[in-house]
Amino acid sequence: GAGVSQSPRYKVAKRGQDVALRCDPISGHVSLFWYQQALGQGPEFLTYFQNEAQLDKSGLPSDRFFAERPEGSVSTLKIQRTQQEDSAVYLCASTGQPGRYNEQFFGPGTRLTVL
Amino acid sequence: AQKVTQAQTEISVVEKEDVTLDCVYETRDTTYYLFWYKQPPSGELVFLIRRNSFDEQNEISGRYSWNFQKSTSSFNFTITASQVVDSAVYFCALRGGDYKLSFGAGTTVTVRA
Repeated sequence: GAGVSQSPRYKVAKRGQDVALRCDPISGHVSLFWYQQALGQGPEFLTYFQNEAQLDKSGLPSDRFFAERPEGSVSTLKIQRTQQEDSAVYLCASTGQPGRYNEQFFGPGTRLTVL
Repeated sequence: AQKVTQAQTEISVVEKEDVTLDCVYETRDTTYYLFWYKQPPSGELVFLIRRNSFDEQNEISGRYSWNFQKSTSSFNFTITASQVVDSAVYFCALRGGDYKLSFGAGTTVTVRA
């Protein structure tokens, strides 16, 4: 089936605006991850879901960041009152395919630019 | 805490040369997994290879090969007979007892025709 999809692919926000980034994982994948990738850096872990349960949110940089996965499939990462330092690519990944459990499969990312 | 270090920032080679990417890691977990991902200009991270900590056998998969040495905490990756399409940023990553991946800073590989 289809891979991980993310929308929008690009988002420009004015400082102070709220944004919502969507992730559609591979069908049937139990685990879902969000990562933040600053320009020229490797991805940094933000948060992890197993089904609808958020098991780890230790990487969220501030309380302005909030993620949810209410039905255990689609996930939304919300950033409130965006700041310029939030500018980055936000990557979503999923895993859980039998026989290949350990590989995380990544979406194309959402490039967020905060002006 | 887990840490992955990729000391090489950029590598430039001419087509058909071999390219070896270095990766050194730190972890306190006894069981862990190491990965290499490729990120082409399109931005999507593409899984290349995985190695478990309990299996140090080195393998070759097509033009890719890797050298996992637990004694030196290194997981180096080689592209044989490089091609222009291999131009990308390559990331080494580590997954320990939890599920999150810790990535290195990446190595930009440029293959010139």
